[in-house]
Amino acid sequence: AQSVAQPEDQVNVAEGNPLTVKCTYSVSGNPYLFWYVQYPNRGLQFLLKYITGDNLVKGSYGFEAEFNKSQTSFHLKKPSALVSDSALYFCAVRDKGGSYIPTFGRGTSLIVHP
Amino acid sequence: DTGVSQDPRHKITKRGQNVTFRCDPISEHNRLYWYRQTLGQGPEFLTYFQNEAQLEKSRLLSDRFSAERPKGSFSTLEIQRTEQGDSAMYLCASSSGQWREGTDTQYFGPGTRLTVL
Repeated sequence: AQSVAQPEDQVNVAEGNPLTVKCTYSVSGNPYLFWYVQYPNRGLQFLLKYITGDNLVKGSYGFEAEFNKSQTSFHLKKPSALVSDSALYFCAVRDKGGSYIPTFGRGTSLIVHP
Repeated sequence: DTGVSQDPRHKITKRGQNVTFRCDPISEHNRLYWYRQTLGQGPEFLTYFQNEAQLEKSRLLSDRFSAERPKGSFSTLEIQRTEQGDSAMYLCASSSGQWREGTDTQYFGPGTRLTVL
């Protein structure tokens, strides 16, 4: 079985400050991990993914995520938040040896204040 | 690459009516997925096609739901005898690549928002 948890429903950060959106996962084997962003009334946009190799993954719009196997986490980060980063962020996991269908978290609403 | 498109973007219907949604995937993608998303939740998997073959269906997909991908290109999702609980955003995604190697990334369309009155 595979599952993902996003422990924060909402994250508030001031513009220009670093941001972190948390994600933890559970899989039987090794994970493939994904982050997506969703703006109001839109579909999900792919940001980045971890397959293997370097634990720090860089993605679109200046976002990056760090894979931590011991903590089973894949937190999304950005050094300096923009007001335009305000959106819903979804973490997803797929078990490398299991299902080809990812499981998505419930999402975290990121609000960046001017 | 024009991305995944979905039509209509919004649909309002009365309970008991049938509705059909269309998804056009990225042209070179051989896999197509349907998801349902309700407020405050992430996408929930409904069904999956590889080319024209429907390979997996979620238990969420009741008998009132049917999906097709007749020529391995666009797909349709039909809901018969709609219920108020069917109100949701219906998302389509497509992908290609080797899923076992993790190169199979899903790209989503803008979604169809269904409201059942």
